[in-house]
Amino acid sequence: LAKTTQPISMDSYEGQEVNITCSHNNIATNDYITWYQQFPSQGPRFIIQGYKTKVTNEVASLFIPADRKSSTLSLPRVSLSDTAVYYCLVGADTGRRALTFGSGTRLQVQP
Amino acid sequence: EPEVTQTPSHQVTQMGQEVILRCVPISNHLYFYWYRQILGQKVEFLVSFYNNEISEKSEIFDDQFSVERPDGSNFTLKIRSTKLEDSAMYFCASSEQDSYEQYFGPGTRLTVT
Repeated sequence: LAKTTQPISMDSYEGQEVNITCSHNNIATNDYITWYQQFPSQGPRFIIQGYKTKVTNEVASLFIPADRKSSTLSLPRVSLSDTAVYYCLVGADTGRRALTFGSGTRLQVQP
Repeated sequence: EPEVTQTPSHQVTQMGQEVILRCVPISNHLYFYWYRQILGQKVEFLVSFYNNEISEKSEIFDDQFSVERPDGSNFTLKIRSTKLEDSAMYFCASSEQDSYEQYFGPGTRLTVT
């Protein structure tokens, strides 16, 4: 599994766009990048997954440069309810499905 | 929107007792998982289950743990003889395909005294 590195914490204000970057220098050819969100005392929630370039859904966008050694989760116009821990996971889309969570990025949104 | 449910939400047990944690995965999902999260620590994979057998398990999932799908809807995790260090939030998850897109339940907080 590719090792990931992401900031321990970030602060933002309501209405701002938040970009959380994850480094995964040893990503393999068949690895996908997946982001999860976890609120306190709740289970993780799948946000978005991508392989290259850009993926967008109703919640977030995921930007992946051509070398795929990093990725950026973009949350448009955050609100207080976006305060959570965000995890970047990297792994192959075949075979082993055990999710390996790191420490994540704790996002605190202020009013 | 379909969701994974778990019962009980909180279980308190004495060391050495057996506990069974219950989960109802999303109905059309075929892959089931258990994870745990000790307070303040990372979410850790325990076991994955497909087609009525364990697909993969971590080193945490030792002989004290077992999983079962007793009927078409429930998925259970049994801990035979609980230890203090088993105190954690236990999350059940399910997925439609063999995928990184997994849907987690709200968790069961297990407290071993």
